[in-house]
Amino acid sequence: EAGVAQSPRYKIIEKRQSVAFWCNPISGHATLYWYQQILGQGPKLLIQFQNNGVVDDSQLPKDRFSAERLKGVDSTLKIQPAKLEDSAVYLCASSFGTLPGELFFGEGSRLTVL
Amino acid sequence: AQRVTQPEKLLSVFKGAPVELKCNYSYSGSPELFWYVQYSRQRLQLLLRHISRESIKGFTADLNKGETSFHLKKPFAQEEDSAMYYCALGGGSNYKLTFGKGTLLTVNP
Repeated sequence: EAGVAQSPRYKIIEKRQSVAFWCNPISGHATLYWYQQILGQGPKLLIQFQNNGVVDDSQLPKDRFSAERLKGVDSTLKIQPAKLEDSAVYLCASSFGTLPGELFFGEGSRLTVL
Repeated sequence: AQRVTQPEKLLSVFKGAPVELKCNYSYSGSPELFWYVQYSRQRLQLLLRHISRESIKGFTADLNKGETSFHLKKPFAQEEDSAMYYCALGGGSNYKLTFGKGTLLTVNP
């Protein structure tokens, strides 16, 4: 089966610019996650969707980050305006149900903010 | 609050030696613990979960609620075990999965 697809793989922007990342989960997976992984740290959950509804966005910096999952399939994560500390790998993952169980991760989108 | 601690950032062993990657957690409820692994140039993937009580690629992990630990063990390390290992805790009303900072395991020939 096809895995979780993410794009772009790499993005370099200057601070205060905006950027968007796209994720297409595994077909049939109801739950979609966006994680932020800063160098040297473990993945940190930014937002969790169940179908097209938000389950948890408690760690999403809502003043600059936004995410949507229209139609309960693919999802977009946006950062506007970007800060230097946003430099990280943004990982998308999906799972079949609401329990964590087995998460299937994408390859990630590496963001560098200059 | 959920917290996962992996005290070792780096762990280096020789091929054939036993290996133990430590994981401690903090959680007030009934936890679900997982080990995820990321091999070089590959995606992060699930290695094993405590509920299954399974052995994957020779690795086992036992949940010790008294010591709040979930250490990953393998009696004889192989070079292909070299990877980044993350301990993860699932819990809370939304079953958030919280990851530790990871341990980079290097198995030397």
